[in-house]
Amino acid sequence: NAGVTQTPKFRVLKTGQSMTLLCAQDMNHEYMYWYRQDPGMGLRLIHYSVGEGTTAKGEVPDGYNVSRLKKQNFLLGLESAAPSQTSVYFCASREETQYFGPGTRLLVL
Amino acid sequence: KQEVTQIPAALSVPEGENLVLNCSFTDSAIYNLQWFRQDPGKGLTSLLLIQSSQREQTSGRLNASLDKSSGRSTLYIAASQPGDSATYLCAVWGNYGQNFVFGPGTRLSVLP
Repeated sequence: NAGVTQTPKFRVLKTGQSMTLLCAQDMNHEYMYWYRQDPGMGLRLIHYSVGEGTTAKGEVPDGYNVSRLKKQNFLLGLESAAPSQTSVYFCASREETQYFGPGTRLLVL
Repeated sequence: KQEVTQIPAALSVPEGENLVLNCSFTDSAIYNLQWFRQDPGKGLTSLLLIQSSQREQTSGRLNASLDKSSGRSTLYIAASQPGDSATYLCAVWGNYGQNFVFGPGTRLSVLP
């Protein structure tokens, strides 16, 4: 039982490049979330999903897209990376208790 | 809109002390409240989950209380140890939303 896993762990992008962050959970949870964490800003919700095939916007969705084609996976895409998207990205899933992945550190130059 | 605050922002105590971390929320219509621990460079680890119908939850040296009517929760850590040094966050799940709202965290340092 791996819980919530995220790939990659660290990535450097140039402005304008695209990438996809992958989140996987093996707990059969319906709810999945993508957050970003920045110094002084705390955790902010980007997008979330309440089940396979569903997605919804969170607090800071601009510049990101998501997909939940399979229940166990939740993908976060950056179509054209900007320096403001430099952050640590966390994925989480939940039934009652929320479980977090280890995070992806993204640096956009 | 639910807002969550945590006081103090940072706390430094000598090993062995008992301590209390505070979490306040503005909307008392909550479904549950969760306390997390985050070590530097790591993800969040769930410590305790309190349902809205509960007053407190205990796990080892940790005790979390919930007072919905006053919009407050406390996390009590008994006999603190250097290994307890981390940032502690509380998060509230509202009755009318699909998401947790997080507080900014309290950074705890336990000095040997």
